[in-house]
Amino acid sequence: DAGITQSPRYKITETGRQVTLMCHQTWSHSYMFWYRQDLGHGLRLIYYSAAADITDKGEVPDGYVVSRSKTENFPLTLESATRSQTSVYFCASSDHGGQGNSPLHFGNGTRLTVT
Amino acid sequence: RKEVEQDPGPFNVPEGATVAFNCTYSNSASQSFFWYRQDCRKEPKLLMSVYSSGNEDGRFTAQLNRASQYISLLIRDSKLSDSATYLCVVNIGGGADGLTFGKGTHLIIQP
Repeated sequence: DAGITQSPRYKITETGRQVTLMCHQTWSHSYMFWYRQDLGHGLRLIYYSAAADITDKGEVPDGYVVSRSKTENFPLTLESATRSQTSVYFCASSDHGGQGNSPLHFGNGTRLTVT
Repeated sequence: RKEVEQDPGPFNVPEGATVAFNCTYSNSASQSFFWYRQDCRKEPKLLMSVYSSGNEDGRFTAQLNRASQYISLLIRDSKLSDSATYLCVVNIGGGADGLTFGKGTHLIIQP
């Protein structure tokens, strides 16, 4: 089925470990996004990508790395996880990146706990 | 002033009633507006885009008031299944990184 999928759904890791969250979309959308959602903050943009090999920082990029070698995949890596990165992470994709009337479509999220 | 603001609620509304809530935004040049619905521990799902002339989708009506810089969502004949958090999304800056989410309005429909 077409859509956007994230893996894993749940992840527990230790402080200092590297962890990668995966995101895959089958719509061939140009834009892909990573958000984190925390109580009291709403959704905050970590990184986004307008096309393969083009990525840009969002509001809260520190401690995260992204890559986009293929249009359909947009992995997010926490290089050295910290407790403050405990959060729910949502990947999203969009035809035109939320410009015009092009909305975002979200994956079902990854709930990450850093101990 | 926060860029996108919503009343967090909760709004407790009896089933069958009409409920409306607003979302204010700070940048008068904002061009794209959306309402999303988010159920507990789930991903946000698009409810509707908001067009300049206003638009309706079944029991849901969205309006844009550019002069006062707010969008609104009206839900008629509310159902128990409408209980959720409603997120307002505004493209403040115009680019892909301009999408700004409100913190959401929590709606509880009571039987």
